[in-house]
Amino acid sequence: GQQLNQSPQSMFIQEGEDVSMNCTSSSIFNTWLWYKQEPGEGPVLLIALYKAGELTSNGRLTAQFGITRKDSFLNISASIPSDVGIYFCAGEYSGAGSYQLTFGKGTKLSVIP
Amino acid sequence: DGGITQSPKYLFRKEGQNVTLSCEQNLNHDAMYWYRQDPGQGLRLIYYSQIVNDFQKGDIAEGYSVSREKKESFPLTVTSAQKNPTAFYLCASSIVEDSPLHFGNGTRLTVT
Repeated sequence: GQQLNQSPQSMFIQEGEDVSMNCTSSSIFNTWLWYKQEPGEGPVLLIALYKAGELTSNGRLTAQFGITRKDSFLNISASIPSDVGIYFCAGEYSGAGSYQLTFGKGTKLSVIP
Repeated sequence: DGGITQSPKYLFRKEGQNVTLSCEQNLNHDAMYWYRQDPGQGLRLIYYSQIVNDFQKGDIAEGYSVSREKKESFPLTVTSAQKNPTAFYLCASSIVEDSPLHFGNGTRLTVT
């Protein structure tokens, strides 16, 4: 199956700093999704990207769909304590009668007040 | 409010017992999914269903079973054949197969 490499695995940052995380794959995707999961909860969709090169923002979050369709990044600006959680990327491929949704292993973000 | 409800939040079972996890959605979504999450791991797909009375195995279906008798319900049974059942189980749904997933809040199953 398709593999996603998400990095970094974990991050410790000071409140107010910017954060960047990314996902790469050897396969192309049609859609990139970014989710946030807080402890004991299910993941919540943050941003969905549908076109190569697309840059989308959601408040302090910005994500981009790589031009090669094999990567995506998520940036968080001016981090705050409630940004703490695990961020997952997911790549979706559908075509030629097949469908696959693959998740990265997550980036655990800790924010130091 | 529309959403996905998983119950119970925590579940404890003895080894060798089957256990069923509930998932209900009132979003009128056609597709439903079950994922397993282990510490430090991504989400791994157990089963999914695109339509009532039909479902397909995911990447780690062995030791699990599902049913989809109603559009809004997709229960997962963890059988005694599942070698390492202790995990966090997440149910999700989407409007159709290739639209973004919406997740429930999970059930943490502990088998001793």
